[in-house]
Amino acid sequence: DARVTQTPRHKVTEMGQEVTMRCQPILGHNTVFWYRQTMMQGLELLAYFRNRAPLDDSGMPKDRFSAEMPDATLATLKIQPSEPRDSAVYFCASGHPTTSGNYEQYFGPGTRLTVT
Amino acid sequence: AQSVAQPEDQVNVAEGNPLTVKCTYSVSGNPYLFWYVQYPNRGLQFLLKYITGDNLVKGSYGFEAEFNKSQTSFHLKKPSALVSDSALYFCAVREDYGQNFVFGPGTRLSVLP
Repeated sequence: DARVTQTPRHKVTEMGQEVTMRCQPILGHNTVFWYRQTMMQGLELLAYFRNRAPLDDSGMPKDRFSAEMPDATLATLKIQPSEPRDSAVYFCASGHPTTSGNYEQYFGPGTRLTVT
Repeated sequence: AQSVAQPEDQVNVAEGNPLTVKCTYSVSGNPYLFWYVQYPNRGLQFLLKYITGDNLVKGSYGFEAEFNKSQTSFHLKKPSALVSDSALYFCAVREDYGQNFVFGPGTRLSVLP
């Protein structure tokens, strides 16, 4: 049963520290998304990649957030420096469009980040 | 620009009764429509999608959704609710030539025993 995996599942850190979240997309999926979920804002798209290239990162605060795909099996989301307002659950999702563009996303279990 | 509305923050239904979770959308092209469910402390799980064809789409766990182009709606339904259906439900849309999925704010479904 193929799944998206994310590590760590929980992270507590102090303000100003660097945070790195990792995602392993489902093998063969070439599109990867990062989302942030909070009670106030709901589900927000931060960035997404196709074939490891960033297609859209307009939802991401550029001054402190960065997203990369070092290879097809790993996506990373970094926050440096972290702030209390970054506390949220961060989800990774992957998918693989067909030639018609038809596909759905499969979500990982999320990383719950708490910045104190 | 694409957008999704879920007009109800909360839906309460008695176990065994039919349930409906509403979704309306706005896109400039043809829509691809999706429903996802989120259980506590879990990621979103795909339930069903409408791409083309039959307006009534059947998905996982007995759920179905009806695409209505004139009303730009894609309501989620189930004939007989279970307590275990209690969760947060998200509707999402993507334009047929677009890349991005846009999610609604979510509707919390509570099925009462």
